[in-house]
This record gives sequence, C-alpha cells and structure tokens, in this order.
Amino acid sequence: SALTQPRSVSGPPGQSVTISCTGTNSDVGNYNYVSWYQQHPGKAPKVLIYDVSKRPSGVPDRFSGSKSGSTASLTISGLQPEDEADYYCCSYAATKRFVFGTGTKVTVL
Amino acid sequence: QVQLVQSGAEMKKPGASVTVSCTASGYTFTSYYIHWVRQAPGQGLEWMGMINPIGGDTNYAQMFQGRVTLTRDKSTKTVYMELSSLRSADTAVYYCARGHYYDSGSLWAYWGQGTLVTVSS
Repeated sequence: SALTQPRSVSGPPGQSVTISCTGTNSDVGNYNYVSWYQQHPGKAPKVLIYDVSKRPSGVPDRFSGSKSGSTASLTISGLQPEDEADYYCCSYAATKRFVFGTGTKVTVL
Repeated sequence: QVQLVQSGAEMKKPGASVTVSCTASGYTFTSYYIHWVRQAPGQGLEWMGMINPIGGDTNYAQMFQGRVTLTRDKSTKTVYMELSSLRSADTAVYYCARGHYYDSGSLWAYWGQGTLVTVSS
C-alpha cells in the first residue's frame, strides 16, 4: 500500500520544512532507492531527489533527502514562493515494484 | 534532447480497453526502463508497471495485474500501455516516465506530457 506522508505542511518564505515518508521493511526500510517528486498543478512530476539523497543537476541545493529506518525525509531549506506544490515520495519495493507516497501539499505562507 | 511524447486524450465506455502510446527520442531506447504512472483527478500518483525495452520483460503493480499490459516496438521506439475492463475509477491522467538502466533505479528524470483517459457511459 501507499507510503504515508503528511497531508500538508506550510511555512513562510525562508523557513525550512521537512516532509516525512513512512514505509515498511518491504520498501523504504530495505532499499536505498527512494526518490522525491515535485508536482505543480497541471504539470508532470519533476524529480528532486533520487537514491535517498542524490540531487540531479539543476535541482537547487535547498532540497535535500535522507532516510532513517523505514522513514525517508525531504527537507526544503529556505522556502521559496515557487516551492508551493505537491510533493511525492517513491520507493522501490520487494518483487520488482515501486510504490508512491500519499502526497503532501506544501503551502508558502 | 530526451523526449517522451504520449498519444492524445481518450474517451472510453465502461468495460472497454484503452491503449496509450509513449514515443521516445533523444537517447538509446533500449537502455532505460519505461514506467507508467497514473493520477486520478485530485488524487496522488500511482505506479502501474514498468517495461525493459531491450527484452520486453515487464513488472506490474498488484492492483493492475491482469488488466494492464505493457509492450514495446523497438523499431518505432514506442511503448504501449493497454488497460482493459475500464471502469469510471480508471479516469485519470496517465504518464510514462524514463527510468534507469536497472529495474530499481529511482531517477525518473524524463516524463511524458500525460494522457487523459476518461471513462464514462
């Protein structure tokens, strides 16, 4: 079943926020193949983080990823107005499949 | 540059099947997995399955097993996603995404533009 994320997080510009992504020993807890996606309304998802903490070229360094046990986290250090979007985690899971998180709406106050 | 171009919007009746295509360009087609992800209106992302274009082997999410079929045509660098026995809950935007060269790779950097499939009587 889907990984668990908070429904929403918010903060003023410049603040740091962290989004959690809780799975099980069959997905997040057993594999270092966790990615994070940002999605603006009506747009395709955009990868921010892959392999738990790697950042593709072109992604601002204010986005960072980590993992502890079966919980992965995405931190946005210094919120910007353009960061207001939906965020999804995704993990490789047992028997060659992937599972997404429930999604988190980030609001910049 | 890498591009994934999907076929256009579809409207289907319940019980019918739909096929959405995803044509790749700008890279070696057989070197990367293709994933399919869908998003119902106002809902989250849902992984449906993946295909290895080099051999055509596939893996599907359990909830779609038996209803979804991924195939590829290496000559046209196109992957096809067929979903059968459609119901209203299948109304969604369907995306293809380029994966990694190994099945567990989590860097899906390129996505198609999305295809809206509407199921309605």
